[in-house]
Amino acid sequence: AQSVTQLGSHVSVSEGALVLLRCNYSSSVPPYLFWYVQYPNQGLQLLLKYTTGATLVKGINGFEAEFKKSETSFHLTKPSAHMSDAAEYFCAVKNTDKLIFGTGTRLQVFP
Amino acid sequence: ETGVTQTPRHLVMGMTNKKSLKCEQHLGHNAMYWYKQSAKKPLELMFVYSLEERVENNSVPSRFSPECPNSSHLFLHLHTLQPEDSALYLCASSQDTGGLFYEQFFGPGTRLTVL
Repeated sequence: AQSVTQLGSHVSVSEGALVLLRCNYSSSVPPYLFWYVQYPNQGLQLLLKYTTGATLVKGINGFEAEFKKSETSFHLTKPSAHMSDAAEYFCAVKNTDKLIFGTGTRLQVFP
Repeated sequence: ETGVTQTPRHLVMGMTNKKSLKCEQHLGHNAMYWYKQSAKKPLELMFVYSLEERVENNSVPSRFSPECPNSSHLFLHLHTLQPEDSALYLCASSQDTGGLFYEQFFGPGTRLTVL
């Protein structure tokens, strides 16, 4: 069975600092992996996804994630945080016909 | 603009009321989903419809009753809810339930409060 673990329910960074949100997955088959972002009072928006091919995936708003099979990880990064990045971020893995979501990481950005 | 709309955005109801949540997708997708999002818990998948047929029902209490009259519309009928049912209910759609066309597009959600 597939599962997702997001380390750290809250992450705080200063504006301009590196953003690193951690995601580890468990999957018995090659995984499809996703990062979603949820801004206050909104639904989830897809940031990026990994299916096959290049392990470094670039998404919207300057985010990227790297699939590392040996570490079963799919961490999300952004070189320089912006105030508008403050939101909740969800990692997800595809399990046959449904997505399995992590518990989310709330990102705070301080000026 | 995600192409998935939900109404109402906010709903307050008593435990004896009957209400319905509506979801509409304008993306030409074949699959639609209902999720429940509670504080400090992972998103809970409630129902999945593919080509208007229910393909997943994750042991959801019968006080939640889904309806999918066509591939563009999805309803969640609510009756005799409990306070613990208060949550954000999210609707999503995808082109298909499997394969590479699995990306789900979410609506903004309905914030439900049960008094």
